[in-house]
Amino acid sequence: GAGVSQSPSNKVTEKGKDVELRCDPISGHTALYWYRQSLGQGLEFLIYFQGNSAPDKSGLPSDRFSAERTGGSVSTLTIQRTQQEDSAVYLCASSVVRGTSGRTDTQYFGPGTRLTVL
Amino acid sequence: AQTVTQSQPEMSVQEAETVTLSCTYDTSESDYYLFWYKQPPSRQMILVIRQEAYKQQNATENRFSVNFQKAAKSFSLKISDSQLGDAAMYFCAYRSGGSQGNLIFGKGTKLSVKP
Repeated sequence: GAGVSQSPSNKVTEKGKDVELRCDPISGHTALYWYRQSLGQGLEFLIYFQGNSAPDKSGLPSDRFSAERTGGSVSTLTIQRTQQEDSAVYLCASSVVRGTSGRTDTQYFGPGTRLTVL
Repeated sequence: AQTVTQSQPEMSVQEAETVTLSCTYDTSESDYYLFWYKQPPSRQMILVIRQEAYKQQNATENRFSVNFQKAAKSFSLKISDSQLGDAAMYFCAYRSGGSQGNLIFGKGTKLSVKP
């Protein structure tokens, strides 16, 4: 039972390649978040999913970044034409949504994917 | 926009002693939540404690407690009886009360525990 899982744990890629990062949230958690953690920028919000919809993509740093979520469960963050500045730890978190209020609850994080772009 | 500031990049404490980590935030909202997360070298962000802004009582979780000063926009974390396993990065985070609720993090404080 699990907590939030992410794969791969580590990814090394060459500049210009595309990468896919996966997040499997806690079962029943309809809200899902992606964050990026880098030395220079700290922890930054990237995108939020409510079910399969992404009402807020404002944190995505460029159009090379995209994300999707299917079946209200697994989410994939895709980075196209990777650049060295994309090197970071990508964290996923999930939470429940409370009743009819629509409010999300405490976020639980996965172990992250460390992306290194050479 | 909301901001979170942690002014102590590094702190150190002797095992069994007490340490306080500082956090201040800026917001014009009245409905929000505050959190402390711990991140050990394993990278897993672990929730330590949470505080709802509308609650006057300070949250406590075993050896962890907060001093929430709403007017001063201050949210410090006190760790009592520090243990070696408490060594980690600690992040203060803010979340609006609205439905989306993405977290805004401070830069973190690296806590070392000396045996």
